[in-house]
Amino acid sequence: GQQLNQSPQSMFIQEGEDVSMNCTSSSIFNTWLWYKQDPGEGPVLLIALYKAGELTSNGRLTAQFGITRKDSFLNISASIPSDVGIYFCAGHNNDMRFGAGTRLTVKP
Amino acid sequence: GAVVSQHPSWVICKSGTSVKIECRSLDFQATTMFWYRQFPKQSLMLMATSNEGSKATYEQGVEKDKFLINHASLTLSTLTVTSAHPEDSSFYICSARGEGRGKGSYNEQFFGPGTRLTVL
Repeated sequence: GQQLNQSPQSMFIQEGEDVSMNCTSSSIFNTWLWYKQDPGEGPVLLIALYKAGELTSNGRLTAQFGITRKDSFLNISASIPSDVGIYFCAGHNNDMRFGAGTRLTVKP
Repeated sequence: GAVVSQHPSWVICKSGTSVKIECRSLDFQATTMFWYRQFPKQSLMLMATSNEGSKATYEQGVEKDKFLINHASLTLSTLTVTSAHPEDSSFYICSARGEGRGKGSYNEQFFGPGTRLTVL
């Protein structure tokens, strides 16, 4: 199947620091997406990337679709306490496959 | 953005009983809905793809007779966990694909808030 490798598994950072996480796959995806999930809730879309090389920002979040279409990264700048949660990458062809998630903790 | 609801938000049942979970697209029609299962501290795993008016497509390893999916209308898909056992306890999340919402070949999926199933 299509496996997504997401790293790091968890991050503990100070408020104000920048965060970077990434996803790689052995398969090519047509669309890469980044979601955030709060405890007990469904995932919420942060950024969608539609073509190789695309760099897209959403506020303090920036994500890029890798040139090979097999990877993507998400950066969060100047983290704040409400950034706490689990971030998932997802690759989409006919259906969506998720990475294992990065659990982010932000210390005030 | 589009809204997807799930009902119930949580359910506790005895082992051996069946539980039905509903997934509704509230402001758009969805010919395709997806069902995911998420165990604690793990990722979302696709269980099946639900197609309106036809049989669901199940992922390898998912028992179709245990997880019954019905997609009778363009706004409703149901997942029934039959003869539930404690190992079926999990967080079940649906998503609905919005036709024409997205870019290129991608039609955006909108996720429901999830249903937590606990089987005693």
